[in-house]
Order: sequence, then C-alpha cells, then structure tokens
Amino acid sequence: NAGVMQNPRHLVRRRGQEARLRCSPMKGHSHVYWYRQLPEEGLKFMVYLQKENIIDESGMPKERFSAEFPKEGPSILRIQQVVRGDSAAYFCASSHPTGELFFGEGSRLTVL
Amino acid sequence: AQSVAQPEDQVNVAEGNPLTVKCTYSVSGNPYLFWYVQYPNRGLQFLLKYITGDNLVKGSYGFEAEFNKSQTSFHLKKPSALVSDSALYFCAVRDGSNAGKSTFGDGTTLTVKP
Repeated sequence: NAGVMQNPRHLVRRRGQEARLRCSPMKGHSHVYWYRQLPEEGLKFMVYLQKENIIDESGMPKERFSAEFPKEGPSILRIQQVVRGDSAAYFCASSHPTGELFFGEGSRLTVL
Repeated sequence: AQSVAQPEDQVNVAEGNPLTVKCTYSVSGNPYLFWYVQYPNRGLQFLLKYITGDNLVKGSYGFEAEFNKSQTSFHLKKPSALVSDSALYFCAVRDGSNAGKSTFGDGTTLTVKP
C-alpha cells in the first residue's frame, strides 16, 4: 500500500507568489490533516478535512491560507502572497476516524 | 482544549541503558495518546498508542509507554537504548470523544551515545 504522498518535496517561492502543496492520503483513509513545522519547533495543527468538507480550521491563519479536499483528487494547501515567515515544512497526515496518523514526508517551502 | 507537555527538550543516554522520554497531557474527554518518532528531513512515524485497556502499551522497535490517569502522563520507555534510537520524539493527544485533531508536544531530542 502506498503511504501518504506529498508533493512537491521542496518548493522555492519569491515573496508575493503562491504556493500550492498537494497531499494524497493512504488508500481507504477519508480524514486528512495538515500541520506546519518551523525549524527547531514542534508540529502545529492547521486544518482537518474530510472529503469536500473542512471539519476544523482553527489552526489556519485567517488570511492567505486555504485548504480543500475535493471529491476527486488530492488535498491542496494553498498559500497566497507568501512571506518569509511562511518558510516551513508542511506535513500532511491521514487516518481512520479514531486511529493514529500516517504522515507524508513533508513539503519544505522556502520563501526568498 | 487539549495540550501536551514534553518537559525535556533533550534526553541523553548511553547505549544499553534504559531511556525515558516524558509526556503529560490535558484533554477534556477520553484521552487517546500517541508517540511518534521523526528522523531528520523525514515525516513522523507512529510508534505506539493508548486507546483503552492495559496501561502499559508496547509498540515498534522495543518501545513501550505507560498510561497514568492520575498523573495525566504517558511516558515513553525502552529497557535498552540503541544508537539508532537517536531521533526527535513527539507525544500527541486526541480527544477520544470525537474524531478530531491530534495536538502534539514540542518534541524531545533523544541522543544515544555509544
């Protein structure tokens, strides 16, 4: 079984550009979570989605960030007008409703 | 609200010695507790979980953890550390009353020296 697939693994953007990160959950998993990890810090929850629904977006910045998990295709985390402070590793995880999380390898965003 | 505290940023042990990585939690509902390990530039890997049942749970690579409800703790342990156990360890809690988010501690870097 393929694990959680994230792409791109590395992304470089200039300030003001858009970053789009993709995540395909494990087969059979309908719950997707996005976390952000800053250097030397822990994981901070951003958003929890099920197919076509945002369940909890309490960790998402109010502006510039959005997420979706369409009926077909991967989950997308979109960051508009990136700033240097957005530079981080963004991890996607999937799970069954009450089980452990399975993480992707992360997408590392660098904003120049 | 739910939270996790990992009071030690760093734990150093000698190979062959027992190790403990501490974790305390706070959650309003039933605690579902997890340990994950992260190697450099990699995603997190699941080690073990407590959902219900025996307070001592066993997981991957010889790790185990003990759930203590009165102390709201879930410390990770291993009887004999290996150099290859050196990594970043995260404790996480989820409210078992609903299928919501997991909240992670800030992580503890374990270094096992030969």
